[in-house]
Amino acid sequence: GENVEQHPSTLSVQEGDSAVIKCTYSDSASNYFPWYKQELGKGPQLIIDIRSNVGEKKDQRIAVTLNKTAKHFSLHITETQPEDSAVYFCAAAFSGSARQLTFGSGTQLTVLP
Amino acid sequence: SAVISQKPSRDICQRGTSLTIQCQVDSQVTMMFWYRQQPGQSLTLIATANQGSEATYESGFVIDKFPISRPNLTFSTLTVSNMSPEDSSIYLCSVDRGQYNEQFFGPGTRLTVL
Repeated sequence: GENVEQHPSTLSVQEGDSAVIKCTYSDSASNYFPWYKQELGKGPQLIIDIRSNVGEKKDQRIAVTLNKTAKHFSLHITETQPEDSAVYFCAAAFSGSARQLTFGSGTQLTVLP
Repeated sequence: SAVISQKPSRDICQRGTSLTIQCQVDSQVTMMFWYRQQPGQSLTLIATANQGSEATYESGFVIDKFPISRPNLTFSTLTVSNMSPEDSSIYLCSVDRGQYNEQFFGPGTRLTVL
């Protein structure tokens, strides 16, 4: 089955700096890669996703890049703000009729004011 | 997106008892998913619930421990049976929604077993 590794496990940045979280996956058949943000006491929130037919996707201050050859994808957050502090999870799936995501282990991002 | 609610939001239970968690979605969906998130850990899929058929359980999870009901296309329940402290976790339901079947999560049920 699929295996997703996520790094780093914790990340502290100064407000206004950029943050990068990286994930690698093992199953070359995976073609859907979402990122979730989980704030304390809440469920995971889908913040951006990318499919294997594109290499990069942006949404305001967040972007995701995908390298299918190397089987890794990354989340980039620019101009970080304290409200970006949360746990971020990457995931991978083969977008068949029954989607079952394999999640990374999570990254605790802390944005220092 | 999807509006998903779960009840209860949290509970503290005694060892050996059972708790039923409810998940309600704002519109009809084919599949609903139940996940477990142990303290400080990632999400692990427990089972997939389709309306009108038996739930499909992932390796390591069995129906006797986690029975699931799916009586209609907007509702599902997960029961955690004969609980032990190791069952202390966040339990999350999710659904596929949108043009590309993005997966959306409910707020979770925080369970503590004493």
